[in-house]
Amino acid sequence: EAGVAQSPRYKIIEKRQSVAFWCNPISGHATLYWYQQILGQGPKLLIQFQNNGVVDDSQLPKDRFSAERLKGVDSTLKIQPAKLEDSAVYLCASSSNSGNYGYTFGSGTRLTVV
Amino acid sequence: GDSVTQMEGPVTLSEEAFLTINCTYTATGYPSLFWYVQYPGEGLQLLLKATKADDKGSNKGFEATYRKETTSFHLEKGSVQVSDSAVYFCALNHGNNRLAFGKGNQVVVIP
Repeated sequence: EAGVAQSPRYKIIEKRQSVAFWCNPISGHATLYWYQQILGQGPKLLIQFQNNGVVDDSQLPKDRFSAERLKGVDSTLKIQPAKLEDSAVYLCASSSNSGNYGYTFGSGTRLTVV
Repeated sequence: GDSVTQMEGPVTLSEEAFLTINCTYTATGYPSLFWYVQYPGEGLQLLLKATKADDKGSNKGFEATYRKETTSFHLEKGSVQVSDSAVYFCALNHGNNRLAFGKGNQVVVIP
């Protein structure tokens, strides 16, 4: 089966600019996640969707980050305006509803804010 | 809240050496536990998992046993290869399929 697709692979922007990332999960996976992985740290959950509804966005900095999954399939994550500390890899993952079996992660988007 | 702690620092070892990466967790209840691996330039891949106490997860020669008594899930491999060089993350499912990750350990295997 096709994996989790993410684009772009790399992005460099200046602080205060905006940026958007796109994710297409594995077909049939109802749950989609966005994680932020800062260099030298483990991934941190930003937001979790179940179909097109938000399950958990408690760690999403809502003053600058937003995410949507309009048709319950692909998703976009946006940052506006970006800060230097947003430099990280943004990972998208998806899972079926049998959650105890782990996720499938995409390759990520590496964001550098200068 | 639920969390995972991995041993500090990178691990450098010679080919065919024995690998251990320590992982301990703090959680209410008994979460599912996972090891993920991230090869250079690639995304995270599930390496192995255990869903209840005393379960042993295994894959590609790696093993980890869910130890409730010591709240641990240490990763081991008896004979590493250069191709095992990667970053290894311990993680737990702390409800609703949300994962909490440790900081990761860089493993470098020298030929």
